[in-house]
Amino acid sequence: GIQVEQSPPDLILQEGANSTLRCNFSDSVNNLQWFHQNPWGQLINLFYIPSGTKQNGRLSATTVATERYSLLYISSSQTTDSGVYFCAVSFNAGGTSYGKLTFGQGTILTVHP
Amino acid sequence: GAGVSQSPRYKVAKRGQDVALRCDPISGHVSLFWYQQALGQGPEFLTYFQNEAQLDKSGLPSDRFFAERPEGSVSTLKIQRTQQEDSAVYLCASSLGASGRGQFFGPGTRLTVL
Repeated sequence: GIQVEQSPPDLILQEGANSTLRCNFSDSVNNLQWFHQNPWGQLINLFYIPSGTKQNGRLSATTVATERYSLLYISSSQTTDSGVYFCAVSFNAGGTSYGKLTFGQGTILTVHP
Repeated sequence: GAGVSQSPRYKVAKRGQDVALRCDPISGHVSLFWYQQALGQGPEFLTYFQNEAQLDKSGLPSDRFFAERPEGSVSTLKIQRTQQEDSAVYLCASSLGASGRGQFFGPGTRLTVL
């Protein structure tokens, strides 16, 4: 099956620092999403980005589908950015696509004041 | 409401009991997914509905797990004769179209089996 690898597994930052999270995937995808799971367990949509670049405030993401990776950039990090960041992908299976997601193991981000 | 809702948020069951977990997707969303998240892991796919049709149940771990969406909106995940290994967070997600792209997740139900 499709494999999704995220790095680094853990990241500790001081408030104000910038960071880059990476997601590698093993096959062509037609859906890629980045999520932030907050301490209460809620998965919050950050980006739907099967290809290209998007920005939303201090966050931006780039997916290079042909090279099978995606990057999530966090600038000027804040303590509220702490939590687990997941990359999740789906791929076209035999001509049908309904988008079931395969998740990576996540990156645990801790931002200290 | 505006988002996906799930109930109950927490459920404690004794081993052998049956449980039912409810998901209310975003109104009008065609696709509905159930995922299971073990502690320290990413969510894993359980089953998928397109409207009322269950098109994929390949992720259900055993025949003790059953899901339904009879009217194409609310869905229920039922676990019969719960076991300790069923303890996990059960997440529901919905998306607007049949492609399943751009899924929105509910807050989850944390199931603890004693």
